[in-house]
Amino acid sequence: GAVVSQHPSWVICKSGTSVKIECRSLDFQATTMFWYRQFPKQSLMLMATSNEGSKATYEQGVEKDKFLINHASLTLSTLTVTSAHPEDSSFYICSAREDGRDYNEQFFGPGTRLTVL
Amino acid sequence: GQNIDQPTEMTATEGAIVQINCTYQTSGFNGLFWYQQHAGEAPTFLSYNVLDGLEEKGRFSSFLSRSKGYSYLLLKELQMKDSASYLCASSDSNYQLIWGAGTKLIIKP
Repeated sequence: GAVVSQHPSWVICKSGTSVKIECRSLDFQATTMFWYRQFPKQSLMLMATSNEGSKATYEQGVEKDKFLINHASLTLSTLTVTSAHPEDSSFYICSAREDGRDYNEQFFGPGTRLTVL
Repeated sequence: GQNIDQPTEMTATEGAIVQINCTYQTSGFNGLFWYQQHAGEAPTFLSYNVLDGLEEKGRFSSFLSRSKGYSYLLLKELQMKDSASYLCASSDSNYQLIWGAGTKLIIKP
C-alpha cells in the first residue's frame, strides 16, 4: 500500500509554455501533499504544501503565480509551471501524507523531469 | 532555527560497514527520518526514530539521541547497489520535514 504516482515521468517543452504535472495517491487518502524541486546534485527543496480543498502554502522564494498548485481531491494534486523558462528545468517530486498513519510518513512519487528548451 | 547537517560525501568498501551522521536543530522535534535516493529517482523510506536508541532493520540500523540532536544511519555488509545519496530529515511540530543536503555514498569494490 501507500503508492504515489506522478504523470508525466518526463516532459520537454518550449520556453513560454505551461506544463501540468499530476500527483495521485493510488491506495490511500492524501490529506496533505507536498511538492519538491531538486536540481542536479542538490537536495530536495520544498516548494509548497497543500491540504485538500484549501490553498497551498508556498515556501519563501517560490512564486505562487508561477507554480500553480491545486489539491482538489484527497487523491489528486496538480502542479502547473506557467510560462516555463530554461531555469525551471528540474526534477519535480511530489509526496503525500495521510493523517493518522504511523510516523506521519511522506510517500514519494517517482518524480517528473522537466526540460525547458 | 531549523538546521540539519550531514557530510556531503563518503566512500566505503564493498562488504564493509559505514556510519552516516546527522545533527539537527528542530523546533518541536517530532522524529527523524532517513531516506535513500538513487540518482534520477525519488527518495525511498529507510527508517524513522522518535525515541532514543537504535532501530535495526536488516543491514540498516538507525540511531537517535534527542538530547544531543544527533542521529546516524549504519549500513552493514555494503553492496554496490547501496551507492546512493542518503537523506536525513527531521520532522517538526507541524509534521513538516526539514531536509539535510544528503550524503553521497560511494561504494568501491
